Amino acid sequence: QVQLQQWGAGLLKPSETLSLTCAVDGGSVSGYYWSWIRQPPGKGLEWIGEINHTGSTNFNPSLKSRVSMSVDTSKNQFSLKLTSVTAADTAVYYCARGFGMDVWGKGTTVTVSS
Amino acid sequence: EIVLTQSPDFQSVTPKEKVTITCRASQSIGSSLHWYQQKPDQSPKLLIRYASQSFSGVPSRFSGSGSGTDFTLTINSLETEDAATYYCHQSSGLPRTFGQGTKVEIK
Repeated sequence: QVQLQQWGAGLLKPSETLSLTCAVDGGSVSGYYWSWIRQPPGKGLEWIGEINHTGSTNFNPSLKSRVSMSVDTSKNQFSLKLTSVTAADTAVYYCARGFGMDVWGKGTTVTVSS
Repeated sequence: EIVLTQSPDFQSVTPKEKVTITCRASQSIGSSLHWYQQKPDQSPKLLIRYASQSFSGVPSRFSGSGSGTDFTLTINSLETEDAATYYCHQSSGLPRTFGQGTKVEIK
């Protein structure tokens, strides 16, 4: 059974870079697109972007200038970076598999505060 | 951007009642519409993908229908464990988008 284990820094200061990684346990990064989604406190879900095993990416235009994603097939991992964070980036960040997202990570709470 | 509008935003329902949540897309998305359930402090869970395909392990009381711009999630005979927020999501166009969510409360 495939599981996603995600980790990264949970407390950032404004202007710093958010960095999260998601490891695919029990499966392979090949054959799927892998997404990052975030959820601000008390709000709905926002799609950040997606990457496949070749490194092909799609990003939400609202974040495109600050987002990058990478994949490491040797480690079965993929990562998210979001630069120049502000308080508006405070959210729970999730990684997930596929288009009908059938596997989700447990979420990482990221707080941006000075 | 494809906008997904769910209705209602909130529903208070008694157990065993039938629940219907609709999701309307701002343009045709074929069947590329998926439904998730999210309980407090948990990750979303896939219920239905591609409009009507039930995901493995999901109780049979959950079903989905629709195509094009209008979609429905139905919960037959609501159980207390179904109290949650439900989201639709489209993977037809970029950026991928979610509906605003429908919170289902048990009376």
